[in-house]
Amino acid sequence: NAGVTQTPKFRILKIGQSMTLQCTQDMNHNYMYWYRQDPGMGLKLIYYSVGAGITDKGEVPNGYNVSRSTTEDFPLRLELAAPSQTSVYFCASQYQSGNQPQHFGDGTRLSIL
Amino acid sequence: AQTVTQSQPEMSVQEAETVTLSCTYDTSESDYYLFWYKQPPSRQMILVIRQEAYKQQNATENRFSVNFQKAAKSFSLKISDSQLGDAAMYFCAYRSGAGSYQLTFGKGTKLSVIP
Repeated sequence: NAGVTQTPKFRILKIGQSMTLQCTQDMNHNYMYWYRQDPGMGLKLIYYSVGAGITDKGEVPNGYNVSRSTTEDFPLRLELAAPSQTSVYFCASQYQSGNQPQHFGDGTRLSIL
Repeated sequence: AQTVTQSQPEMSVQEAETVTLSCTYDTSESDYYLFWYKQPPSRQMILVIRQEAYKQQNATENRFSVNFQKAAKSFSLKISDSQLGDAAMYFCAYRSGAGSYQLTFGKGTKLSVIP
């Protein structure tokens, strides 16, 4: 059981480049989330999805886009990379409401130079 | 909006001793959940313990326990018999009982364990 898998683990981008951070889960979870973690801070929500075809903005959505065409996959797209997007990105999933915890991927460290 | 505050940026504890990490939160909701996550240098986010707001009994998981004071909006984590592997960042997190179930995190406490 792989859980939540994120790729790549590390990436360096130049300002203005685009890229997609991949996230897939094999637990049949409906809810999926993208967070970013800046140095010395907790995680902040970028986007979330409550099911295939349904996405919504979190606390810090500017500069990002998401899609959810399947239950398993929830990619995060950066269209025009900016230095302020240098961060560690975490994808998480959750089965349903209640006290079920979120399961996190191992994170992607992204640097924009 | 809910906020989570961890007032101790760094803590240290001697191996085998007990340490308590503080967390307070602000909410107007009555139905919610609270979590402690551990983030070692490997940067994985590992669930340590969780508490449902409707439960008066404090949650325990082996050496980890919480002191949940609902009226005071306080949710501290106690680590007993501290081990070297407990060294990590610890994040307190809040989740509403309704809606998107997103987590709101505190800024974290860095715990060092002294041999």
